[in-house]
Amino acid sequence: DTAVSQTPKYLVTQMGNDKSIKCEQNLGHDTMYWYKQDSKKFLKIMFSYNNKELIINETVPNRFSPKSPDKAHLNLHINSLELGDSAVYFCASNGGETDTQYFGPGTRLTVL
Amino acid sequence: QKEVEQDPGPLSVPEGAIVSLNCTYSNSAFQYFMWYRQYSRKGPELLMYTYSSGNKEDGRFTAQVDKSSKYISLFIRDSQPSDSATYLCAIQAGTALIFGKGTTLSVSS
Repeated sequence: DTAVSQTPKYLVTQMGNDKSIKCEQNLGHDTMYWYKQDSKKFLKIMFSYNNKELIINETVPNRFSPKSPDKAHLNLHINSLELGDSAVYFCASNGGETDTQYFGPGTRLTVL
Repeated sequence: QKEVEQDPGPLSVPEGAIVSLNCTYSNSAFQYFMWYRQYSRKGPELLMYTYSSGNKEDGRFTAQVDKSSKYISLFIRDSQPSDSATYLCAIQAGTALIFGKGTTLSVSS
């Protein structure tokens, strides 16, 4: 009964390709996020969706496009992958009394 | 100045040591402060959550917030090898979290 799940766990691809990462949460939360963690472990928010609506869109290249088909899912599509996109991408969801964010296990993207 | 500053370490201590991890932040309006723990190749998990100033204790862990000096701390007593991980401070800004760079801690037995 995983709370926040992501697929795939690992993704190795060539520069210029298009790829998607999927995220699902079964916590009943309304808000979901995508974070990027670089090689130095710095974790930075990319997008936030509340009940399928985009509420945060940080300075991220428009090659990155989030899509939320319903409030339990938030997918991330990346076009024309570049070497600098190599990182670990974490999905998170938010809710509960303490407004805690729960993170998925991450997707390690390597662009060759 | 970055909104949240954290010394990345690494920090190496022997088992049983008291560990002190710290962050500073720039915006005095921040009210919610968290510490996340991240094991290697795993997602961050919430360790401690503090609202405004003061201390909060949970077992061997104590989170401390000093709003006057914009300083947050995490203390780990009787550290164990299983505490070896990266510790990230985080501050809630609206609906998003702003993270520090994380401090990597290694506890040797």
